[in-house]
Amino acid sequence: AQKVTQAQTEISVVEKEDVTLDCVYETRDTTYYLFWYKQPPSGELVFLIRRNSFDEQNEISGRYSWNFQKSTSSFNFTITASQVVDSAVYFCALISQGNLIFGKGTKLSVKP
Amino acid sequence: NAGVMQNPRHLVRRRGQEARLRCSPMKGHSHVYWYRQLPEEGLKFMVYLQKENIIDESGMPKERFSAEFPKEGPSILRIQQVVRGDSAAYFCASSSPGSAPASHYGYTFGSGTRLTVV
Repeated sequence: AQKVTQAQTEISVVEKEDVTLDCVYETRDTTYYLFWYKQPPSGELVFLIRRNSFDEQNEISGRYSWNFQKSTSSFNFTITASQVVDSAVYFCALISQGNLIFGKGTKLSVKP
Repeated sequence: NAGVMQNPRHLVRRRGQEARLRCSPMKGHSHVYWYRQLPEEGLKFMVYLQKENIIDESGMPKERFSAEFPKEGPSILRIQQVVRGDSAAYFCASSSPGSAPASHYGYTFGSGTRLTVV
């Protein structure tokens, strides 16, 4: 069975704090892809990153960084020096045999 | 290059009416996926279509829901005799098989249609 778990339902931080959003996945496949999407209050889904199961190298993009660890089946997302505009719901997702499976999301509130 | 276009953006229907949601995939994309997002929930897969074919409808409710992707025109998600529990955001995504499995590239999502049943 394939499953994505985002244990943190809501997180609230103050601007400039660092914050890590957790994602744990389950799949029996050796080839799979992991994603993070952002859903701002306006409602659209914004693609952030895609990572395949053979590439465990961590990635940094500006204030965003991702830590992929196959040993713990985790794909965590860290925002450094958070800003109010980072307030959104963040979804982790998995493709292993075609369909994109989402976690339930983590609502991040960044207060000024 | 327009992205995935969904319309309407907001749709209000009374209980018992029909709802039709439209999705035009990105240019060059031939695969369409529909997802439903219930309030405070993640997105749940409903159906995967290619032109004139339903590939996987394992996430579709057995009754009242149908989807099509005709040779010409947008993909349509149709909900007959809507009930309050159908109120949700419905997202469409598209992908292109290209020379590699679609899963390599992920999906491009539309902005969603927010259905409210009153």
